[in-house]
Amino acid sequence: KNEVEQSPQNLTAQEGEFITINCSYSVGISALHWLQQHPGGGIVSLFMLSSGKKKHGRLIATINIQEKHSSLHITASHPRDSAVYICAVGYNNNDMRFGAGTRLTVKP
Amino acid sequence: NAGVTQTPKFQVLKTGQSMTLQCAQDMNHEYMSWYRQDPGMGLRLIHYSVGAGITDQGEVPNGYNVSRSTTEDFPLRLLSAAPSQTSVYFCASSYRGQGPRSYNEQFFGPGTRLTVL
Repeated sequence: KNEVEQSPQNLTAQEGEFITINCSYSVGISALHWLQQHPGGGIVSLFMLSSGKKKHGRLIATINIQEKHSSLHITASHPRDSAVYICAVGYNNNDMRFGAGTRLTVKP
Repeated sequence: NAGVTQTPKFQVLKTGQSMTLQCAQDMNHEYMSWYRQDPGMGLRLIHYSVGAGITDQGEVPNGYNVSRSTTEDFPLRLLSAAPSQTSVYFCASSYRGQGPRSYNEQFFGPGTRLTVL
């Protein structure tokens, strides 16, 4: 069983829709990362958070440490948001574990 | 800044061959790491380093060696390539602040697609 579970695995949305991707993890962590992998394969970091909520443009990330759960929200989705979104957790010993990713397709 | 660079972009090896995947960063980051990405399995940590002269194993270290003689470079060596090592390999780096909870944003290289026949 993966230590980091993401849902859904695949998500198709219409342009303008509000999108939520969920991430759950099984043990205590130091930090949680949300990454975006473009269709060409490149990976960029969207957020790194250890508590609360962060916002960057149309993207919002939240984390609930007690429930071991994080969500990534995209408001007013656009076809250029189509990508694979990856949740990753970091531990105190510098180890990291990744979710399998959520493939998002936003249709015009 | 070039960021994180990886070479080569593509490589085909025969079983038993050895090779080194190169990774370099010019951001003076302490933390560097290697991941492999396989379909349906997500990224998995192979090895990481928190500074020059310090390396440690991640989730899937078998068959790979690393060294960190400088802050900038973190090469990954395949000693005897196997078909199970066919994958896309990513190198990443980040600034490592003070204390065990000081994670920061990771910067990823463009990846190396390796095929072992």
